[in-house]
Amino acid sequence: GAGVSQSPSNKVTEKGKDVELRCDPISGHTALYWYRQRLGQGLEFLIYFQGNSAPDKSGLPSDRFSAERTGESVSTLTIQRTQQEDSAVYLCASSMTSGGAADTQYFGPGTRLTVL
Amino acid sequence: AQSVTQPDIHITVSEGASLELRCNYSYGATPYLFWYVQSPGQGLQLLLKYFSGDTLVQGIKGFEAEFKRSQSSFNLRKPSVHWSDAAEYFCAVAPLLTGGGNKLTFGTGTQLKVEL
Repeated sequence: GAGVSQSPSNKVTEKGKDVELRCDPISGHTALYWYRQRLGQGLEFLIYFQGNSAPDKSGLPSDRFSAERTGESVSTLTIQRTQQEDSAVYLCASSMTSGGAADTQYFGPGTRLTVL
Repeated sequence: AQSVTQPDIHITVSEGASLELRCNYSYGATPYLFWYVQSPGQGLQLLLKYFSGDTLVQGIKGFEAEFKRSQSSFNLRKPSVHWSDAAEYFCAVAPLLTGGGNKLTFGTGTQLKVEL
């Protein structure tokens, strides 16, 4: 019954290291989205999962970014060889449907990533 | 490509005063339109959304928004602001596609400060 959860809430890493961010969607939600929010900017779409369909990766900024989701459960966003420009808050959202008028996205609290 | 403009980065109002936050979008057709609020340390919360029909949409916490096709605008209003409304407000759009997910495009946000 809880909302979308994300872990860790904060992550500090050194440039060049890999990081994994986790998202637990609301139970029963088939769609899952990842967004990035850089300081002073709006959210940018990264990737979208819908059930067992191939994910929409059109928003991933480089091949250092990847994400996985098993079925309709947990998703992990992986950033390899982190760069300072990757510093941002990474937000996950889930929704019950796959778009359209009924689709309301519920957001998690985010993971604040700082790359030193 | 679709885009969202929130021309006011910061707005300060007195408690009890009325509020209007501006949002303009650029898109080839009428998209889905959303307003989200982000309070410190909390995730994004949906205030209201517009898909079709009545152009005046009622949301939670006493907020409303009016869709004006001729002006490509979706301004958020509240007749009397409460101190607890201090937060950052994001306007977002999604294309009118079904089955493809509502990939939201966000504005850069308006930070609302409420003076007591």
